[in-house]
Amino acid sequence: ETGVTQSPTHLIKTRGQQVTLRCSSQSGHNTVSWYQQALGQGPQFIFQYYREEENGRGNFPPRFSGLQFPNYSSELNVNALELDDSALYLCASSLGQMNTEAFFGQGTRLTVV
Amino acid sequence: AQSVTQPDIHITVSEGASLELRCNYSYGATPYLFWYVQSPGQGLQLLLKYFSGDTLVQGIKGFEAEFKRSQSSFNLRKPSVHWSDAAEYFCAVGTGNTPLVFGKGTRLSVIA
Repeated sequence: ETGVTQSPTHLIKTRGQQVTLRCSSQSGHNTVSWYQQALGQGPQFIFQYYREEENGRGNFPPRFSGLQFPNYSSELNVNALELDDSALYLCASSLGQMNTEAFFGQGTRLTVV
Repeated sequence: AQSVTQPDIHITVSEGASLELRCNYSYGATPYLFWYVQSPGQGLQLLLKYFSGDTLVQGIKGFEAEFKRSQSSFNLRKPSVHWSDAAEYFCAVGTGNTPLVFGKGTRLSVIA
């Protein structure tokens, strides 16, 4: 059984650019959630995808968008990057809507300069 | 709105000493409660969870937590801390219909 994997592990982008982060969910899981963890803070919910549909969204602007594919892997896209977007982005997979038990990947560290 | 408070930003304990990390939550319904651990530069690993039933929950790595509804608390404990337990610990709350809400974390340092 494979766990949750995220790519890339680290990324440096320039303000105004666009970025795509990727997540492969744990085998058998159909739900992927994305979280943003700023330095020194707890993770904050961005949105969740369940069976390829967005199923809940946190307090993030529309320039944060996502996709889920038929194999339940997912992408997080961020347009018009701002310095405050620098953070660790965590993907979590689970079975079923919202959370019963979520398994996290190791995260993608995004630095915006 | 639901919220999670971890009152201690940083705790230092001696190796072999006992540990208790505090977590208080504000939630309108009976919550699902979780404790996660995060090593530097890593993702989150689930230590234990409470959904219902016995209010004392056993987890991995020798950790346990107790749900106290009257105090809206879900404190994490370990009887004897090892140096490898040094990490950031996050308490989280959710339900079957809402996303996880995390506390700001407690950083644990272990000294010899």
